[in-house]
Amino acid sequence: QQQVKQSPQSLIVQKGGIPIINCAYENTAFDYFPWYQQFPGKGPALLIAIRPDVSEKKEGRFTISFNKSAKQFSLHIMDSQPGDSATYFCAASEGGGTYKYIFGTGTRLKVLA
Amino acid sequence: GAVVSQHPSRVICKSGTSVKIECRSLDFQATTMFWYRQFPKQSLMLMATSNEGSKATYEQGVEKDKFLINHASLTLSTLTVTSAHPEDSSFYICSARGLGEKLFFGSGTQLSVL
Repeated sequence: QQQVKQSPQSLIVQKGGIPIINCAYENTAFDYFPWYQQFPGKGPALLIAIRPDVSEKKEGRFTISFNKSAKQFSLHIMDSQPGDSATYFCAASEGGGTYKYIFGTGTRLKVLA
Repeated sequence: GAVVSQHPSRVICKSGTSVKIECRSLDFQATTMFWYRQFPKQSLMLMATSNEGSKATYEQGVEKDKFLINHASLTLSTLTVTSAHPEDSSFYICSARGLGEKLFFGSGTQLSVL
């Protein structure tokens, strides 16, 4: 119930490609869904986040697509660059004052030059 | 933007010693901070929630006597790993809640216990 399932585990794309990372959840009480980017040896950095009342959100080259009925959301990276090579985590928060995040298992993205 | 500073970035200690890790919110007040543990190539596992001026709330399976958390001010939370052992070696990350539900993370501390 509390899990957030993330796929794929790893992903390799060519420069300019559009990697897509998917996440699925079960808990309908989740109401905030952020994506984080993490480089080796560093803490995660917030990329973009969405709430269930919106089906899509874009910030720069990053887009979140959200399907409330399917309880799924995905991250698309447009015009990917080698500098985007990192591990990406989706997360879900139940809100309600706890602000506890449940993280997905992570996707290691490699963008080839 | 919101900045969370975590120190030290790397620490090596002998088995049986205690290690303190600091987490500071530099440009905002954080009533709530979180501590995570991350093993190589794995996800972040929440260890505890730290609220300013009150006792930390630990997740199931986390030893509160082993991992002491103090949140004495609105900008500082500390995690002390007491009597560290090699199995405590890990990457520890803090985060602080900013406006709304956004969490901002520190840069992490790599703990190696010999």
